[in-house]
Amino acid sequence: EAQVTQNPRYLITVTGKKLTVTCSQNMNHEYMSWYRQDPGLGLRQIYYSMNVEVTDKGDVPEGYKVSRKEKRNFPLILESPSPNQTSLYFCASSAYGYGHQETQYFGPGTRLLVL
Amino acid sequence: AQKVTQAQTEISVVEKEDVTLDCVYETRDTTYYLFWYKQPPSGELVFLIRRNSFDEQNEISGRYSWNFQKSTSSFNFTITASQVVDSAVYFCALSEGPLFGNEKLTFGTGTRLTIIP
Repeated sequence: EAQVTQNPRYLITVTGKKLTVTCSQNMNHEYMSWYRQDPGLGLRQIYYSMNVEVTDKGDVPEGYKVSRKEKRNFPLILESPSPNQTSLYFCASSAYGYGHQETQYFGPGTRLLVL
Repeated sequence: AQKVTQAQTEISVVEKEDVTLDCVYETRDTTYYLFWYKQPPSGELVFLIRRNSFDEQNEISGRYSWNFQKSTSSFNFTITASQVVDSAVYFCALSEGPLFGNEKLTFGTGTRLTIIP
């Protein structure tokens, strides 16, 4: 089954304790992206990757890191989480459109609470 | 800069009524893509439709239909004969093109639809 998976689904942590949210897709997609969803703000892009070893900032990258060492995986790293990073996080992937937009498919979401 | 406005924050209708969710977008590009996603109470994002700016044909899929009007920069979504399972938050999203880099989706703030049995 074609899917995007994220782990963990729920996470409670404390300020400053490094964490990683994993994202994996089995569709051989080139493009992957992280979004965060906050009430009243919709979803905003954090980072994206156009292919292995190619990553760049989205609209709200502060406090986050990513890496893309393998095509299927795109982990989101919070080196020193703060309470304002409490949010619902989504990973998405799509085939790269080379000039047009393919449909992005989303993972199930990771709900993060930073105390 | 691209922008998506979903002015209806919450809508409630009685089951079997028709309901339309509004989406208005702003873009300076002539090539762009519009999407609708559904977020049920379980939280995942479910893809519903993708439309490019060159295709203004309305689309129908079962009880769902979409009305794309470039003249008013709108991409409205109608559910006919609503059912309780339609209760969810619905997001409209825009991606500008042509795309040779970040294929970012810009989302509206969502419309929470509640279907009352």
